[in-house]
Amino acid sequence: EVQLVESGGGLVHPGGSLRLSCAASGFTFSFYEMNWVRQAPGKGLEWVSYTSSSGGTIYYADSVKGRFTLSRDNAKNSLYLQMGSLRAEDTAVYYCARAGTDWFFDLWGRGTLVTVSS
Amino acid sequence: EIVMTQFPATLSVSPGERATLSCRASQSVSRNLAWYQQKPGQAPSLLIYGASTRATGIPARFSGSGSGTEFTLTISSLQSEDFAVYYCQHYNNGWTFGQGTKVEIK
Repeated sequence: EVQLVESGGGLVHPGGSLRLSCAASGFTFSFYEMNWVRQAPGKGLEWVSYTSSSGGTIYYADSVKGRFTLSRDNAKNSLYLQMGSLRAEDTAVYYCARAGTDWFFDLWGRGTLVTVSS
Repeated sequence: EIVMTQFPATLSVSPGERATLSCRASQSVSRNLAWYQQKPGQAPSLLIYGASTRATGIPARFSGSGSGTEFTLTISSLQSEDFAVYYCQHYNNGWTFGQGTKVEIK
């Protein structure tokens, strides 16, 4: 089955760190560009970060630049998001999303919830 | 950054009726526009890309149109499973989502 499964979410204090993972299966992960998208409770979708298929090109939203680091391990079919200096406004469900033949997102995981609170 | 504006915020429609959702970009995104559906407690799923191409498995009652800065998603005859939140997204050298339109039962 073609799927993405996120993990690693949880409760973290402001200023803390957390590492999210996204495990891909059912397709050739190394062929695809990947993204992280987040959704604050009751709010809309916000693109967070992008990586090319090789990991050689990475982009970040201004809201997370300098605090979050995206990486991927194509040998392990996995995508990661290292989050640091976390703030209350980073509280959200984090989705990994595959980029299709163009840059739209054709496959989404179910998400993992990150809560930043003291 | 390109700002995507969706309207209306909420659309009340009876089953079987037609729903028309709008999305406007603050500058031209050509046809690099996608629509997603999100049901409560679920991840978004792709409906339309390239402004008008239905994704695999999407019923023909969903259609998209537009180019440049003005886009429309039309659901020709709403089914019970179509009541959800719909987001537009541009992917023209970057990515931004609209704030969503909730389609609710009238």
